[in-house]
Amino acid sequence: QKEVEQNSGPLSVPEGAIASLNCTYSDRVSQSFFWYRQYSGKSPELIMSIYSNGDKEDGRFTAQLNKASQYVSLLIRDSQPSDSATYLCAVKTSGTYKYIFGTGTRLKVLA
Amino acid sequence: DADVTQTPRNRITKTGKRIMLECSQTKGHDRMYWYRQDPGLGLRLIYYSFDVKDINKGEISDGYSVSRQAQAKFSLSLESAIPNQTALYFCATSDQTGQARDYNEQFFGPGTRLTVL
Repeated sequence: QKEVEQNSGPLSVPEGAIASLNCTYSDRVSQSFFWYRQYSGKSPELIMSIYSNGDKEDGRFTAQLNKASQYVSLLIRDSQPSDSATYLCAVKTSGTYKYIFGTGTRLKVLA
Repeated sequence: DADVTQTPRNRITKTGKRIMLECSQTKGHDRMYWYRQDPGLGLRLIYYSFDVKDINKGEISDGYSVSRQAQAKFSLSLESAIPNQTALYFCATSDQTGQARDYNEQFFGPGTRLTVL
């Protein structure tokens, strides 16, 4: 089992819709969770970090964390064609050096 | 100006050549990392450094070496480049001292596209 799993996609949503991206992780002691957006050929850009169970909102983005289910998600409201990218989930355990990345979900927002 | 910079941005080299990729940061972060990214394989850690005197191997360090010349500079060398080292290379930084506002978050440089012929 991979340490961080994401559906590779592509996930296609129409413009204006809500895109829901999911990530599961295997290490129960993981404490820090991150979502990155990566355009093709570009570097990962940090969108959200979340540390506590529940929801965290930032503009059109909402991160949701459920540690009991070992599940973190990213919701993108009012999706725009410019949101089309690969979204990487990353987890980190406190006191360690390692950020463990999923292989990403490719999102396509259709105009 | 970008907080994390990498040079060169693109490099084409031949098998057997030694090359160096450089990374500089102005974020004041203590930790620096080198990753490579290949299609379908995601990001893989090559080396990481907690400070100038603390350098550690990651999961795929064979064929690579690094140097932390200063808190702000971390270089990656390919001693004798081979074609399967063709990839996107990213430098990243994070603060683990608790002093930075973006504590624990990891930030990436723009990347170097390396092609080994």
